[in-house]
Amino acid sequence: DTAVSQTPKYLVTQMGNDKSIKCEQNLGHDTMYWYKQDSKKFLKIMFSYNNKELIINETVPNRFSPKSPDKAHLNLHINSLELGDSAVYFCASSQEAVGTDTQYFGPGTRLTVL
Amino acid sequence: GIQVEQSPPDLILQEGANSTLRCNFSDSVNNLQWFHQNPWGQLINLFYIPSGTKQNGRLSATTVATERYSLLYISSSQTTDSGVYFCAVDPLIYNFNKFYFGSGTKLNVKP
Repeated sequence: DTAVSQTPKYLVTQMGNDKSIKCEQNLGHDTMYWYKQDSKKFLKIMFSYNNKELIINETVPNRFSPKSPDKAHLNLHINSLELGDSAVYFCASSQEAVGTDTQYFGPGTRLTVL
Repeated sequence: GIQVEQSPPDLILQEGANSTLRCNFSDSVNNLQWFHQNPWGQLINLFYIPSGTKQNGRLSATTVATERYSLLYISSSQTTDSGVYFCAVDPLIYNFNKFYFGSGTKLNVKP
């Protein structure tokens, strides 16, 4: 069983389009995250949700809108895609939002904007 | 924000060799984790180690929180150890888990 899954794995789209990436975790965790990994492999947190509530929003353009329908799912919708949005997007989860804990990452979604 | 520096940026080893990777951070942290990103892109949690020493097979990690650094030891390296190793820290100043990643050490183990 996959602990943290993301769909799609690859996404190729034109500038200006709107796209969504879905994430699901079956670990029973309360907290989920979105990270962006750029072409130089640098990983940066974008958002964090705890029990469906947004708790971290890390100066991300408002073209990016996360949505958590329940605590097992955290989706990422991106409007008006730009070339600079090309990256690998990772979803992750942890048991808690506060304090010591480990994170489990999904396989990533490679987004290419043409 | 907190600075997380990893060294060396690149490392080439012959299979069977040992190595030490270093992570320095600029502020006090709640949490420190080491991850391995394999050549297929998957991020695997290796250690949760805010302080002290832990061992898992050929890998071990030590964090000296008072001196703001952590070390990852790889012994008897294998080609499957290749990939990028990341250190991630969660600064004390935040109310919620907020991890900052270093830029990674890219390891290539040659047969």
